[in-house]
Amino acid sequence: AQKVTQAQTEISVVEKEDVTLDCVYETRDTTYYLFWYKQPPSGELVFLIRRNSFDEQNEISGRYSWNFQKSTSSFNFTITASQVVDSAVYFCALSEAQMAGTASKLTFGTGTRLQVTL
Amino acid sequence: DSGVTQTPKHLITATGQRVTLRCSPRSGDLSVYWYQQSLDQGLQFLIQYYNGEERAKGNILERFSAQQFPDLHSELNLSSLELGDSALYFCASSVTNRGYTFGSGTRLTVV
Repeated sequence: AQKVTQAQTEISVVEKEDVTLDCVYETRDTTYYLFWYKQPPSGELVFLIRRNSFDEQNEISGRYSWNFQKSTSSFNFTITASQVVDSAVYFCALSEAQMAGTASKLTFGTGTRLQVTL
Repeated sequence: DSGVTQTPKHLITATGQRVTLRCSPRSGDLSVYWYQQSLDQGLQFLIQYYNGEERAKGNILERFSAQQFPDLHSELNLSSLELGDSALYFCASSVTNRGYTFGSGTRLTVV
């Protein structure tokens, strides 16, 4: 069975600090997809990134970067120079290989609440 | 606007009642997924429909049921409601594992 663990329940940082959110996953599939979502106080789920299991290249998007390491089953997310607007709950999620033409369900971690203060 | 529409946005109802949550997927998406987000359980997968047929089931209670209609919209029916059913219910749609688009959710409060 697939599982996603986000061990950090809550992180508090001061604006401009860098912060890394950890994500460890378990799956028996060789083909799978990893995601990060942001849930701001307003409640909606905002897609941040998708990575498939065959692509271990790290990715950078502005102040956001992701480090995918299959050897440790981790997909960590770093925010550089954090801002107050980054305050939210961040979820890591996993979906296994497609089945019969459709995407399988997402399994979410428990989320990490990030609080960025001035 | 994400393209996935969920109605209503908020719902307050009494214990023992029945409610229906509605989801219209993004245009072209055949799969619809329902998730429940409660304080103690996190984001839990409930059920998936693909082109009108049930594809996968998660920890969905027997008091809950869902269906997907020919126009691909989906409804989640929750009956004999209990206080513990209070949660944020999300619908998502997708075509492939390329991405899942989530609606803004329905916040259900059972009093």
